[in-house]
Amino acid sequence: DIQMTQSPSTLSASVGDRVTITCRASQGISSWLAWYQLKPGKAPKLLIYAASILQSGVPSRFSGSGSGTDFTLTISSLQPEDFATYYCLQANSFPLTFGGGTKVEIK
Amino acid sequence: EVQLLESGGGLVQSGGSLRLSCAASGFTFSNYGMSWVRQAPGKGLEWVSHVGVNGGGTDYAESVKGRFTISRDDSKNTLYLQMNTLRAEDSAVYYCAKDDRQSWLVTSWGQGTLVTVSS
Repeated sequence: DIQMTQSPSTLSASVGDRVTITCRASQGISSWLAWYQLKPGKAPKLLIYAASILQSGVPSRFSGSGSGTDFTLTISSLQPEDFATYYCLQANSFPLTFGGGTKVEIK
Repeated sequence: EVQLLESGGGLVQSGGSLRLSCAASGFTFSNYGMSWVRQAPGKGLEWVSHVGVNGGGTDYAESVKGRFTISRDDSKNTLYLQMNTLRAEDSAVYYCAKDDRQSWLVTSWGQGTLVTVSS
């Protein structure tokens, strides 16, 4: 199984900060990676797919990069609505596996 | 607009069974693979199962293999998850999820249905 190691697990930041979250795969997954945002009581929201493609309707302050084993989600200027938990997902092979999550908190 | 509406969650005793359903609309259901993903209270997301197009090819997380069965009825645009021999650790919000057209990446999610297994 492919393990996805996501860091940090918690991140304290202020509005306007640049935020970076990373996911490392235990083996190469090409670009079969997506990033999601979760808020309590709401359906998960797709932000980035295929490692770097911005989902339609997602603000351009979100960006993704990487391929192979190392991936990054960047929020260029954190907005109040961005305080949430973020997960990566690898879809290179079954079982699909998620990172452990990163909770972005208000500093 | 893609819509995925889960139903069938509830409270069940340990060892019991439950069947979840997911009614899909807004896309050609038969053309897409589908997954179930769950989130236990206070925990992260966990992929549970996947079914390919035409019902061909099913995959399961090790934690549910042999107890859960995923299926689909393309004539009804509905995805199912039959859950047997339920355990307390199966308690979670269960999400129905739609694949990307060209990969297994999840691109759309339902709102989720809560399953609580009492011990």
